[in-house]
Amino acid sequence: KAGVTQTPRYLIKTRGQQVTLSCSPISGHRSVSWYQQTPGQGLQFLFEYFSETQRNKGNFPGRFSGRQFSNSRSEMNVSTLELGDSALYLCASSWGTSGSTDTQYFGPGTRLTVL
Amino acid sequence: AQKVTQAQTEISVVEKEDVTLDCVYETRDTTYYLFWYKQPPSGELVFLIRRNSFDEQNEISGRYSWNFQKSTSSFNFTITASQVVDSAVYFCALSEEKAAGNKLTFGGGTRVLVKP
Repeated sequence: KAGVTQTPRYLIKTRGQQVTLSCSPISGHRSVSWYQQTPGQGLQFLFEYFSETQRNKGNFPGRFSGRQFSNSRSEMNVSTLELGDSALYLCASSWGTSGSTDTQYFGPGTRLTVL
Repeated sequence: AQKVTQAQTEISVVEKEDVTLDCVYETRDTTYYLFWYKQPPSGELVFLIRRNSFDEQNEISGRYSWNFQKSTSSFNFTITASQVVDSAVYFCALSEEKAAGNKLTFGGGTRVLVKP
């Protein structure tokens, strides 16, 4: 079974631009979660989607948004990029039907650099 | 609020030595789940083990073993007879049953360097 895939793997943007990252979950998984990893803040939860609905959201500004499609693929968008948004963005998928008790499986991440 | 602490930032060992990673957690939920993930240099987080709060039985899976103690809120992880391929950053994580949806709270990670 194919794992979680994320595109693109690397991205370079400039301040003020916006960016869209994509995540395709493991086949059959309906929950997709997003995490930001930085050297200073570590791994932080952004949000989670299940059946096209956002079920939980972390403490990030409104510039960070996401959505999920009917095939469970998910995208996250960051508008008005700031230097501090440079990070590894990880997507994880799980079955989702058990709510918070599922094991999450992670993709390889998208490394975003903001210049 | 939930919190996970990994006090060890980096551990360096020689191949075949055992490595124990410490994890201490805080939660007000009575039902919760604890995880260990491995992050090799490639960046992908690899799931290793998971325990729920009702099962304190410690187990061994291959070269991995874990020690879960609710009384001290600790969930330690041991790699026996370490190998160079075990070099990675290891994260302990917590999810609470009462949380809406899937949300993992991670510790800061412990970098393990296994030297040949």
